[in-house]
Amino acid sequence: SQQGEEDPQALSIQEGENATMNCSYKTSINNLQWYRQNSGRGLVHLILIRSNEREKHSGRLRVTLDTSKKSSSLLITASRAADTASYFCAGNQAGTALIFGKGTTLSVSS
Amino acid sequence: GAVVSQHPSRVICKSGTSVKIECRSLDFQATTMFWYRQFPKQSLMLMATSNEGSKATYEQGVEKDKFLINHASLTLSTLTVTSAHPEDSSFYICSATGTDNEKLFFGSGTQLSVL
Repeated sequence: SQQGEEDPQALSIQEGENATMNCSYKTSINNLQWYRQNSGRGLVHLILIRSNEREKHSGRLRVTLDTSKKSSSLLITASRAADTASYFCAGNQAGTALIFGKGTTLSVSS
Repeated sequence: GAVVSQHPSRVICKSGTSVKIECRSLDFQATTMFWYRQFPKQSLMLMATSNEGSKATYEQGVEKDKFLINHASLTLSTLTVTSAHPEDSSFYICSATGTDNEKLFFGSGTQLSVL
């Protein structure tokens, strides 16, 4: 499977601001997934975008995928303190394990 | 959504003892489960892929005799850390794919501390 590499490693913003995180990968994928991890907890699936999709929305989340650049971005709009967490991406080839990058640690202060 | 239950959430043990961690899929059958290890502020490192009814597939550098994985049923996989040492102290997380075989559903993790 495909490891994602997130950028930036850390991001600090104020409540109400938007947070953008980027992800790059190296080879072809069937889909790309974003996960969230609160400290000391397991990961929670946020959103999946398929290789034939360019943009996808889910609530305050917007994900883009550019297969020509092998990159994806996750935008969280109108951030809240509760969005504070680490965010990971992973490219997926069906039936194989997801390999995660180091993640982006987002801190949202009120 | 699919629910994965992991137990225990925290365990402290003495060096040399063995620790078993359970991972259960509560409302779906998980043919394949994955075990990850995570150090503080680091990414998840895939340890092994656990397949029901067959031997686990271990990633390079992971000792299969040290980390015993058993996937005896479609809803339960266990990871046993044998003869634990302080360097085995880490956060261990299991996950399983749902029926779509795409999204991963994670357990809440087990924090292992070996004294």
